[in-house]
Amino acid sequence: AQSVTQPDIHITVSEGASLELRCNYSYGATHYLFWYVQSPGQGLQLLLKYFSGDTLVQGVKGFEAEFKRSQSSFNLRKPSVHWSDAAEYFCAVGAVRGDDYKLSFGAGTTVTVRA
Amino acid sequence: DGGITQSPKYLFRKEGQNVTLSCEQNLNHDAMYWYRQDPGQGLRLIYYSQIVNDFQKGDIAEGYSVSREKKESFPLTVTSAQKNPTAFYLCASSSRGPPYEQYFGPGTRLTVT
Repeated sequence: AQSVTQPDIHITVSEGASLELRCNYSYGATHYLFWYVQSPGQGLQLLLKYFSGDTLVQGVKGFEAEFKRSQSSFNLRKPSVHWSDAAEYFCAVGAVRGDDYKLSFGAGTTVTVRA
Repeated sequence: DGGITQSPKYLFRKEGQNVTLSCEQNLNHDAMYWYRQDPGQGLRLIYYSQIVNDFQKGDIAEGYSVSREKKESFPLTVTSAQKNPTAFYLCASSSRGPPYEQYFGPGTRLTVT
């Protein structure tokens, strides 16, 4: 079965500093990789996605992620964090098997931004 | 404005009562999903539907039921058989082709006492 691991439960970063959130997955089939962000009490918003092509993908709000097949990783980065980036971030991996498609989510990483 | 609506935002029920959560989308997506979110556990898939009049159990389907009579709608019923129904419920939809990204509604927080 597929699994997605976000090793860091909580990260605190200073405003203006860089941010990296880790995501590792175990998978065998063709897969699709996503990062979502969630503010408290809200739904999830898609930040970026990867399914083919350039392994460095750009997303919204200045985020980027790099797919490394050899390491089974899809880490999210932002060069300079803003206070509004405080939220919970979820990595997700999708698998297609025939007509069936499902996403598996990591447990999430909460990001706190200090002034 | 295309999107997914979930209603109500907050729902309170007494133990032993069934309750139905609404999910509507106007994105013309074939596939729809229901997730449950608990603190520290990420999202867990309850049920999903790839096409009208068809749906499959996800990882935690026990105590829940769904229907998919229309493409736009995928209501979730939390039955009295669900042992711990208090949670945040999220509905999502996606196209059936790559890259299959899912779009989420704002969620419904259900509290059962």
